[in-house]
Amino acid sequence: AQSVTQLGSHVSVSEGALVLLRCNYSSSVPPYLFWYVQYPNQGLQLLLKYTSAATLVKGINGFEAEFKKSETSFHLTKPSAHMRDAAEYFCAVSEAGGGNKLTFGTGTQLKVEL
Amino acid sequence: DAGVIQSPRHEVTEMGQEVTLRCKPISGHNSLFWYRQTMMRGLELLIYFNNNVPIDDSGMPEDRFSAKMPNASFSTLKIQPSEPRDSAVYFCASSLGLDEKLFFGSGTQLSVL
Repeated sequence: AQSVTQLGSHVSVSEGALVLLRCNYSSSVPPYLFWYVQYPNQGLQLLLKYTSAATLVKGINGFEAEFKKSETSFHLTKPSAHMRDAAEYFCAVSEAGGGNKLTFGTGTQLKVEL
Repeated sequence: DAGVIQSPRHEVTEMGQEVTLRCKPISGHNSLFWYRQTMMRGLELLIYFNNNVPIDDSGMPEDRFSAKMPNASFSTLKIQPSEPRDSAVYFCASSLGLDEKLFFGSGTQLSVL
């Protein structure tokens, strides 16, 4: 069985500050890892995806995530937060070859303050 | 590209009633997924189809839930009879293939009173 744990259900940062959203995974086989973003009253949108190629994955909107096997982590970062980044972020995992059969974390609500 | 289209956006019904949620995937996509989002359980995969065939329905909570995909451009998720604990946002998502980028619809907010 595989799972992801997102540390911190709410994160607040100032505009222009570093964004760091934490995700740790558990998987008995090499995982595929994902970050999705959900804006209010909308569906989820893929930010980035790790599929065992480069460990540093760059996504949309200036976000990136680094796969660290030794730490079983896949934290999401952005150097400088914008107000428009305020949303809920979900980490997800699937087995390699498991496609879009995703197991999601509980989500982290990002608040960006002036 | 209209994206994944779900209807209705909101559904309010009484316990015991039948509820049907609808989804139109992106044209050309071969894989379709139904997810449910609740405060208590987060996002859960209910069922997914590939080329209109159900592949894995292990996430369907009970026999009250059923899903069909009669053709490549339409899927339904039915709950009969509905219960208050079924209240959630139900998302449909589609992708070109099982491993391709997943596109979500805007969801159906279901409230069972």
